[in-house]
Amino acid sequence: QQQVKQSPQSLIVQKGGIPIINCAYENTAFDYFPWYQQFPGKGPALLIAIRPDVSEKKEGRFTISFNKSAKQFSLHIMDSQPGDSATYFCAAFAGGTSYGKLTFGQGTILTVHP
Amino acid sequence: DGGITQSPKYLFRKEGQNVTLSCEQNLNHDAMYWYRQDPGQGLRLIYYSQIVNDFQKGDIAEGYSVSREKKESFPLTVTSAQKNPTAFYLCASRRDADTGELFFGEGSRLTVL
Repeated sequence: QQQVKQSPQSLIVQKGGIPIINCAYENTAFDYFPWYQQFPGKGPALLIAIRPDVSEKKEGRFTISFNKSAKQFSLHIMDSQPGDSATYFCAAFAGGTSYGKLTFGQGTILTVHP
Repeated sequence: DGGITQSPKYLFRKEGQNVTLSCEQNLNHDAMYWYRQDPGQGLRLIYYSQIVNDFQKGDIAEGYSVSREKKESFPLTVTSAQKNPTAFYLCASRRDADTGELFFGEGSRLTVL
């Protein structure tokens, strides 16, 4: 019930394409859904996050779409660039019930070709 | 600059040896975490600590130990009991009590020879 399932495992797009990464969760106690971006040899960094009372959040070229009834959320990267090539993790957090634990998806390796 | 400092960045150890990974933060965050990263398995929680002198086991705590004697420091010991210790280890801290916004260090890569 604490799992977050992420797909696809890897994704290759051309520059300018719109990669989409999907995540699904089971635990309805989750109330904060961040996405992290990780470059090789570095630690992950927060990219964008959303709460379940909002259906969409946009920051620059990155958009989260959230479907509360389906318990799914996704990351869209508009006008993707080679510099966006990285591993992306979705995550879910339930502050009141899990004593501060953040549950991560398995990660998606994104490659953007020039 | 504020942040999370992990050391060493690379570490090699022989089988049967214990090794301690350092994690220091100057962000004044209460909560700190240790994650293990393996290809295709995402980030798995080893231990976490909400306050000084208190810590909780995560999902894969077997073969690891931690201490939290100071707010700024959360070292992780990989013991000889850990059967497959070769991995990338990430330390993080959390700013707010009601969000999952973690700040990560740059990681320590441990290789067992």
